[in-house]
Amino acid sequence: IAGITQAPTSQILAAGRRMTLRCTQDMRHNAMYWYRQDLGLGLRLIHYSNTAGTTGKGEVPDGYSVSRANTDDFPLTLASAVPSQTSVYFCASSETSGGAGEQFFGPGTRLTVL
Amino acid sequence: GQNIDQPTEMTATEGAIVQINCTYQTSGFNGLFWYQQHAGEAPTFLSYNVLDGLEEKGRFSSFLSRSKGYSYLLLKELQMKDSASYLCAVTSNDYKLSFGAGTTVTVRA
Repeated sequence: IAGITQAPTSQILAAGRRMTLRCTQDMRHNAMYWYRQDLGLGLRLIHYSNTAGTTGKGEVPDGYSVSRANTDDFPLTLASAVPSQTSVYFCASSETSGGAGEQFFGPGTRLTVL
Repeated sequence: GQNIDQPTEMTATEGAIVQINCTYQTSGFNGLFWYQQHAGEAPTFLSYNVLDGLEEKGRFSSFLSRSKGYSYLLLKELQMKDSASYLCAVTSNDYKLSFGAGTTVTVRA
């Protein structure tokens, strides 16, 4: 069982380019999340999805978009990357969206925007 | 929104005990989590508290006081592998998880 996988592991991107970070889970979890982690700021929620077909905005959604076409996949797209989006991005999932469930995290994607 | 405070760094000796405090201010409260994160790795779940009191799980214990907006994570019999960041996170009325900046614990021989 893989749990949650993310791709790519790391990426260097020129400013202005479009980039999609991939996230796939095989646990049949209903809820999925995207966080970014920056030094001194902790994990901040970008977007979330309580169930397939629905998405919502987190704390720092500007410049990012997501889709949830099925249960397993939750890609995060940067339409036009900017240097301030340099960060480590973690995808996570939980069995339910009620807030009481443990979240399982993917290994992360380290993104550098130049 | 949520305001979650925890110390930035702590250092302790192998075999000792360390207590990591977390205070929070939130609009509604639906539970508090502690996660462990080793450098360069993903966070992993340690504990969940929703009622006041102490939850014990092996060498790790977590305490919650909802009236004081306060939690702590207690690490006993410290081992070198416990060197990591410990993240306090709170679920509020909107059921989304808000994280503190994390406490980096360094265990020395």
